Amino acid sequence: GENVEQHPSTLSVQEGDSAVIKCTYSDSASNYFPWYKQELGKRPQLIIDIRSNVGEKKDQRIAVTLNKTAKHFSLHITETQPEDSAVYFCAAGQWAAGNKLTFGGGTRVLVKP
Amino acid sequence: DTEVTQTPKHLVMGMTNKKSLKCEQHMGHRAMYWYKQKAKKPPELMFVYSYEKLSINESVPSRFSPECPNSSLLNLHLHALQPEDSALYLCASSQEGTERFFGSGTQLSVL
Repeated sequence: GENVEQHPSTLSVQEGDSAVIKCTYSDSASNYFPWYKQELGKRPQLIIDIRSNVGEKKDQRIAVTLNKTAKHFSLHITETQPEDSAVYFCAAGQWAAGNKLTFGGGTRVLVKP
Repeated sequence: DTEVTQTPKHLVMGMTNKKSLKCEQHMGHRAMYWYKQKAKKPPELMFVYSYEKLSINESVPSRFSPECPNSSLLNLHLHALQPEDSALYLCASSQEGTERFFGSGTQLSVL
C-alpha cells in the first residue's frame, strides 16, 4: 500500500517569511496529492491539490510542486501570516472518488508575529 | 450547500453503551468516508461507501459498524467500545473530480 512521509513535524517561522513542507510517497500509481490545513478543534480543509499531470500549481500565497520521478511533493507558503498557524497534512492517492487517500504525519506550523 | 454535517459534536459513552454517529451531505456526492483521528495524528481511514455500498473496510474492529441508508446519509454504530477508541471521528464525502469535504467531526470519549 501507499506510504507517505512528511517533514518537518514542526516548523516555526517569523511572520512574512516563507514555509516549506515536504512529502514523499511510495506508490507510483498515486496520481492525486492534496494538502489539508487543520486548525485546532476544526475539520481538515483542502488548501490546494495537484494531479500527476501537472508539475506545479499556485493559488495566491500557496504553491505545490510535484516531482513524479523522485516521488515527492512540497507545499510552499510565502509571506506567512499568523492565521497560517495550523497543522498541515499532505496526502497521496488516486483521483477517483471512493479511493483511499493516505495522509502524511502532519506538520505543525507556528507563525510568530 | 457545500457542507458535511455530523452529529453529535461531542459524545461520552461507557464501554457497555450503544450509540450512533450520524453524517449527512446534500452535495450529491456518491462516495462517503469515516475516518478516526487521534490527537496530533493524521486522519486514519476506517470505511468507504461508494454508491451506497461498502467498498473499503480498513480492518476495523466489529464494535464499529457502518451503515449507509441512502446516498445522503452515513451512520457509524458503536457498541462495546474501549477507552482507546476515544478520538475525533470525521465523516467526509467526495464526487468524481471534486475534493474530499470533511465534516467537523464527533469528539468521542469512552469511559
